[in-house]
Formats: sequence, C-alpha cells, structure tokens
Amino acid sequence: QSVLTQPPSVSGTPGQRVTLSCSGSNFNIGNNYVYWYQQFPGTAPRLLIYRNDQRPSGVPDRFSGSKSGTSASLAISGLRSEDEADYYCAVWDDSLSGWVFGGGTKLTVL
Amino acid sequence: QVQVQESGPGLVNPSETLSLTCSVSGGSISNYYWSWIRQPPGKGLEWIGYMYYTGSINYNPPLKSRVAISVDTSKNQFSLKLTSVTAADTAMYYCARHRVQMEAHDGFALWGPGTMVTV
Repeated sequence: QSVLTQPPSVSGTPGQRVTLSCSGSNFNIGNNYVYWYQQFPGTAPRLLIYRNDQRPSGVPDRFSGSKSGTSASLAISGLRSEDEADYYCAVWDDSLSGWVFGGGTKLTVL
Repeated sequence: QVQVQESGPGLVNPSETLSLTCSVSGGSISNYYWSWIRQPPGKGLEWIGYMYYTGSINYNPPLKSRVAISVDTSKNQFSLKLTSVTAADTAMYYCARHRVQMEAHDGFALWGPGTMVTV
C-alpha cells in the first residue's frame, strides 16, 4: 500500500475540468514539495508539475498543481483525448528518508 | 541535450543478482543526483535509491539490504545491483536525473526510456 493515496481512476469528457488528488501526511506532503508525473502506456514518466505548482517548459497551462496541508491536487482544464494517461504524485518523505509515489490515477477521457 | 539510457540483461534467474547500468550522454553525470526507479508490470512506481557523483548514496529502506548503487565518473555512468532477486523484482527499471543541481529532494526531471527485467 502506497504512502500517498491517489484514486485509482478518474474520468471526464472533452472540455471538462478534472481534479486528481494525492493525500499524504505531515511527514511528506505536509512538509515537502509535491511533484506530478504523466505516463502514457509503454513510455517513461514525464515531469508535469514540480514544487507543488510549477510547470516545466513545454507543459500546457491547462495543467495546474496545488497543495493544502497534507493533500495535493492536479487540475486539468479543457480536457483533451490526449490527456488520457496515468498520473502519479511523488514527494520526499522525512520519516522514511526517501522518495514515495502515489499508487497512480488512470485518467480516462470519455 | 542530455540523454540517459539504461542497459542490462533482460532476464535474471531467481536468487541471482540483477545488474543494470545507466549511461549519460550529452552532459556530465556530475553535480546532479541520480535515481533508480522501478515499475512492475501494470503497477505503480517505486523509488529504489539515489546517488551523487561524489559517492553519496541513499536507498529505499525496504530494499536497502539487497541494493547497491555505484558511480563511474570516468565513463559517465552509474550502476544498480540488486541481489537475491525473486519474481517480485520483475519490473521496468528507470534511471532518472533529479531536477536541480546538488539537490536530492527535488524531483525527477529527466528519465531514461527504461529497461525491462524479468526474473
């Protein structure tokens, strides 16, 4: 069982805004930056959001991150079919002295 | 443009040692932390450990007794060894560079394509 909790699946229709959640504790999300990764089948993960809410160059501004307390969220607005992928949150855990990932959320665009 | 590439045997016998190499091209391995991360088929991501070119290392506690990460700066490579493997170690193995120089607690920004290892 993952230290970070993500819903296994989320779905939305094109154009919709969806939110993916990541829940942790004071040892991880509550005290450190959150990172989000997007992964398509058969490919390596791609950094989507860093330091809670920052986008690397090349990531559309449809993707946004936020953090509050021991939870974090990834919002995708103007949902597109090409957004269908798995999304993972990751954070440094002070208790484990290591990196932890959420179990991942599979986003389906209906 | 910096690129990373994992390499190693695709098949390892149970109880033996898994050995993988991450080769870095287009840039130096120095000044960044580098991690190994794995993903069993159909499952999520698991951090294995990271290393700095100076030899500073940190392992995921559940794997610590079986893992060894080393660096060869002359070859611009770093390596992973995982001993006493079982079927549970079957996974895609990725190497990844952390985002910010000299910062282990900043996330993984540059990933290799991964290499599949079956036990």
